Amino acid sequence: GQQVMQIPQYQHVQEGEDFTTYCNSSTTLSNIQWYKQRPGGHPVFLIQLVKSGEVKKQKRLTFQFGEAKKNSSLHITATQTTDVGTYFCAGRGGSYIPTFGRGTSLIVHP
Amino acid sequence: EAGVAQSPRYKIIEKRQSVAFWCNPISGHATLYWYQQILGQGPKLLIQFQNNGVVDDSQLPKDRFSAERLKGVDSTLKIQPAKLEDSAVYLCASSRSFDEQYFGPGTRLTVT
Repeated sequence: GQQVMQIPQYQHVQEGEDFTTYCNSSTTLSNIQWYKQRPGGHPVFLIQLVKSGEVKKQKRLTFQFGEAKKNSSLHITATQTTDVGTYFCAGRGGSYIPTFGRGTSLIVHP
Repeated sequence: EAGVAQSPRYKIIEKRQSVAFWCNPISGHATLYWYQQILGQGPKLLIQFQNNGVVDDSQLPKDRFSAERLKGVDSTLKIQPAKLEDSAVYLCASSRSFDEQYFGPGTRLTVT
């Protein structure tokens, strides 16, 4: 079945440094979504990417979808303490069944 | 608009007992999902409904787990009998179709 790998598992940064998490699928995706989960909370939708090579920005967050639609990345510029949490990617294949990655936990040191 | 509602928020049971979780999705959302999230891992899809039909339940342990979505709205997830490894957070989510998912607060299950 479809597998979605996400790296790194953890990332410690100093406030103001940049952060990137990567997501790779074993199969071509129809779309990919990114979610953020704060400690003790539930996943909250950030964005959906659908087109090959698509790039979307939300303030300091930049999301990319690979040309082959098998990988994606989330980049945060100049991290802040409010960015703390776990970031998940979720890919949907041809059957539109979502598969979540393991997540990348971001720890920001002030 | 109201979010996804789940109950109970917490549940502690002994192994071999049964437990049921309830979910009320966002009004008008056709797709409903149940996930199991073990600490430190991503949500694992247990079952996906489209209206009141099952789209996928390939990862649902059917010997002990069951789920239904009556009239294409509310849904219940049941575990009978529970095992220690079922300790996790059970998340319900809904979406209009195959787009962004809105998650409920989850039910934290502890099996002792």
